[in-house]
Amino acid sequence: SQQGEEDPQALSIQEGENATMNCSYKTSINNLQWYRQNSGRGLVHLILIRSNEREKHSGRLRVTLDTSKKSSSLLITASRAADTASYFCATDASGAQKLVFGQGTRLTINP
Amino acid sequence: GAVVSQHPSRVICKSGTSVKIECRSLDFQATTMFWYRQFPKQSLMLMATSNEGSKATYEQGVEKDKFLINHASLTLSTLTVTSAHPEDSSFYICSASNRELIVGNQPQHFGDGTRLSIL
Repeated sequence: SQQGEEDPQALSIQEGENATMNCSYKTSINNLQWYRQNSGRGLVHLILIRSNEREKHSGRLRVTLDTSKKSSSLLITASRAADTASYFCATDASGAQKLVFGQGTRLTINP
Repeated sequence: GAVVSQHPSRVICKSGTSVKIECRSLDFQATTMFWYRQFPKQSLMLMATSNEGSKATYEQGVEKDKFLINHASLTLSTLTVTSAHPEDSSFYICSASNRELIVGNQPQHFGDGTRLSIL
């Protein structure tokens, strides 16, 4: 069953603005991952954050993890039109890579 | 590195046909491969996990006789949708991993998916 819930389901912002997406989950995890999916394509791995980490950065991406609230957020700063895609969080409960995906956020960056 | 190739990217066929989808790890040995299904504008649902040389482990509700998975080598897994019907139409995505990748920061590498349309 899908344990990840993401909000918002859809987000539309202007180029240059920051985009924040949130993910909540229900059970304890080993790690949480964020992926991007362009329409009709496979998944691109963005970042992995482990249960003992609270924040991680990669370029314009910032991910936070709050295990007490069972939630994570993905911040994309200085958005670009090329960031338009669906973004999914995925949790790995055991470290064995059996991922459970959230419902995703469809992000649209308007030029 | 860690490239996964999935083929074909698109299949359109008649109801009752069996369709085979291939997933290859091009530059690493994939001891574990995963098969996902995605309906339009929805999330990915894990269908099964296959370990090289072993029988696949199917998730609850996934018919193993309907979705045959073979992982006979460290670089190739196949998913065969047998006697496909319109309700099997979907986007199927594979991913691959191994022990080294799992302890790293990018444990799974995904193929580009196969859009299956059954008429």
